[in-house]
Amino acid sequence: GESVGLHLPTLSVQEGDNSIINCAYSNSASDYFIWYKQESGKGPQFIIDIRSNMDKRQGQRVTVLLNKTVKHLSLQIAATQPGDSAVYFCAGGTSYGKLTFGQGTILTVHP
Amino acid sequence: DTEVTQTPKHLVMGMTNKKSLKCEQHMGHRAMYWYKQKAKKPPELMFVYSYEKLSINESVPSRFSPECPNSSLLNLHLHALQPEDSALYLCASSQPATGPNQPQHFGDGTRLSIL
Repeated sequence: GESVGLHLPTLSVQEGDNSIINCAYSNSASDYFIWYKQESGKGPQFIIDIRSNMDKRQGQRVTVLLNKTVKHLSLQIAATQPGDSAVYFCAGGTSYGKLTFGQGTILTVHP
Repeated sequence: DTEVTQTPKHLVMGMTNKKSLKCEQHMGHRAMYWYKQKAKKPPELMFVYSYEKLSINESVPSRFSPECPNSSLLNLHLHALQPEDSALYLCASSQPATGPNQPQHFGDGTRLSIL
């Protein structure tokens, strides 16, 4: 069946370091990928997305890399800040709007 | 502040009660979604509405009944729920995926507890 999963459940970094969160997916039908940030007591917040015909996309302090050959997705956060502490989910989408979420990575940023 | 508003933020109900969760968005989105999220787990899709019509039902038990009265509103009617239905219920909206995918925007959810 389809699934989108993560390699590591937790990541702890120092403020100012760069963070890399990884995600593996198994559903080849996914043609769109999104990273969400979820803080305690809140809903998932959109960070960045990438279509399957791209291998890299950059936003403000974030970069998403997509390797379709090995079905791997990563989120890089530059100069990580304490406010970046949250659970990060990757999600794979199909053309009919269905999103399947990965298990999530807890990012903790230490001052 | 989120542009998708969900009410109530918290709801406690007994197994014989009937209640409704409400979701509203004013972004002009024509697709709306219900997700269920258990503690320390990812959101799981329940229903998708596209242009006010139900397009996906992920085999959700009939004690959950969705309704989309218009393009801005989405309801989830609850009846005879079980304790295992206790969870965070998230609403999301987006442009329908009839062309290039558009990101889904989430509300902050309704935390539901079944006694």
